[in-house]
Parts: sequence; structure tokens; C-alpha cells
Amino acid sequence: NAGVTQTPKFQVLKTGQSMTLQCAQDMNHNSMYWYRQDPGMGLRLIYYSASEGTTDKGEVPNGYNVSRLNKREFSLRLESAAPSQTSVYFCASSEGHEIYEQYFGPGTRLTVT
Amino acid sequence: QQPVQSPQAVILREGEDAVINCSSSKALYSVHWYRQKHGEAPVFLMILLKGGEQKGHEKISASFNEKKQQSSLYLTASQLSYSGTYFCGTEMGVYGGSQGNLIFGKGTKLSVKP
Repeated sequence: NAGVTQTPKFQVLKTGQSMTLQCAQDMNHNSMYWYRQDPGMGLRLIYYSASEGTTDKGEVPNGYNVSRLNKREFSLRLESAAPSQTSVYFCASSEGHEIYEQYFGPGTRLTVT
Repeated sequence: QQPVQSPQAVILREGEDAVINCSSSKALYSVHWYRQKHGEAPVFLMILLKGGEQKGHEKISASFNEKKQQSSLYLTASQLSYSGTYFCGTEMGVYGGSQGNLIFGKGTKLSVKP
């Protein structure tokens, strides 16, 4: 099992460009999440999907959109990148949403110039 | 709404104990603890659910005081491998959770020296 995979690992964008971060899990998990991590800020939830077919906003959703393509895949799109979106992005998944641990992917380091 | 973790950083010698605290101003449904090593993804340690249910690794212990809206993580007989940043993630709710919508604290950096 690969667990949670993310592509790409690194990306540099110019302000105004768009891109999609891909996330896939092979653990048959129901719930998936997107976080961003900035120095000194901890992890902040952008969007989550409690189950296939549903998505909800987290703490910092502005400037992002998500798609739960199927049970395995959950993508994050930046329509018009801004320097404030420079961050490390983590995708995570869990079997459910109560007493279930979240498994994190390796992260994508995004720089917007 | 972000929970407050204390201390922000702690340095230990191998074999020493440490306590990391996480407190919230809102009623909590659950508290999740994760450890992250530099340049790596966070790794699950423990979940504490309102009502007393827990799930976690055998060598890690934690408490959840629902009335005080705070949780503590206890690291005993620390090893070099315990080094990293510890995050608590809180799920708000009085009667139920929020489907995994966690708000994380800023982290506590733990360094264990030989």
C-alpha cells in the first residue's frame, strides 16, 4: 500500500497562474482533507470531504476549490495563485471522522512569486 | 478558536519526562495529537473523545479534561526518537463532532538530547 500520495512534490508558480494539487489514497478511506502549513502557524484546514460526494469548507478556504473525484482522489485547485498561498500543502485521509486517525501524505511545497 | 499549546518549546535529556498542554476557549468534542519531524508529514499519536474513549499508541498517554476544555500529552522516559513538533488538533462540539474538522495549535517543539 502506498498510503496517501501527492503530486507534485514541489511547484513554483507566478502570481495569477492556476494549478491543481492531486491527492490519492489506497486505504479505502471515507474522509479526506487538505491542509496548509506555514512557519509558526501549525496546520490549517482548507477543505475536507467527510465522504464521497460531499465537501465542506475548513478554516481557510478562500482562494481554493476542491473536487472529490471519487472515493480515492481529492484535488485542490488554486485558480489565481497569490504570494500569500506560498506554503506546504498536506493531504490526509481517515477511515471515518470520529475516533479515526488521519494519515498524511508527504506534502507539496508551493512557492508563488 | 485556535487552541493554545504550552510550552512552545522544551529541551530534554534522554530519560526525562515532559508534559505538553493544549487548551481551548470552546467546548471540545475531541482532541487529536500528532508528531511531526522536520521535513516530514505529521504522524498520529492519540485521539481523546468526549466521554472518555481513547485511541492511541501504547507508549503514549494523554488526558482530556472536558470541563476545563484542555488536554495534556505525557511523554515519559523520553528517547531521542521523541524529538519533533507536537500538535494538538481540536474538534469543537458539545453534543457531537464536526466530521473531522480539526483546528490545530501552533505546535510544541520538543528536542531530546543524549
